[in-house]
Amino acid sequence: EVRLVQSGPELKKPGESLKISCKGSGDSFTNYWIAWVRQVPGQGLEWMGIIFPDDSDATYNPSFQGHVTFSADKSLSSVYLQWHSLKASDTALYYCARQGEVHTSGSYDYWGQGTLVTVS
Amino acid sequence: DIQMTQSPSSLSASVGDRVTITCRTSQSIRIYLNWYQQKPGKAPRLLIYGASTLQNGVPSRFSGSGSGTDFTLTISSLQPEDFATYFCQQTSSSPTTFAHGTKVEIK
Repeated sequence: EVRLVQSGPELKKPGESLKISCKGSGDSFTNYWIAWVRQVPGQGLEWMGIIFPDDSDATYNPSFQGHVTFSADKSLSSVYLQWHSLKASDTALYYCARQGEVHTSGSYDYWGQGTLVTVS
Repeated sequence: DIQMTQSPSSLSASVGDRVTITCRTSQSIRIYLNWYQQKPGKAPRLLIYGASTLQNGVPSRFSGSGSGTDFTLTISSLQPEDFATYFCQQTSSSPTTFAHGTKVEIK
């Protein structure tokens, strides 16, 4: 069974740094693209970007580029989302999600449980 | 970026009702349209990909249709477990974008 397990909730101050994680298990984690998706409570979903754990190739949404960094450690079947200087506006729920097989129209078939980041 | 417009933003329906949600895109996305269901406190769940293909394990009362710029998600007979928020997503061009969702509430 495929599972994506994310790190726990975080409470940080503006200007602090943070790195959250998403660990995969089951089907060949490193052979699938993993996306990061932001959801402000009560609002919609925003795609932050995507990373391929096997070689750490990444694409960022221009709206987030320069403010966040994706990384991966394939030996740990994990991907990471990092901020060097958090803002109050980064307060949100962050999901990792697996992009499925080629024939599935780029959809996200498995999701982590979400990591709530509060910056205050 | 491709803009997504989903309607209605919310609806009230009863168990057994037929429910239709529409999603419109600002430019043609062929059939690169996916639908998700999200319940409070839970991650989104993929229902339909490629506009009309049911994800494994999703009940057949869910169906999707459309191509180009206009798409529809239909729940043929609403069940208690279907009360949730539904989002469409386009994956035709980067960045992928999601609509703001439709909240389906109990009447």
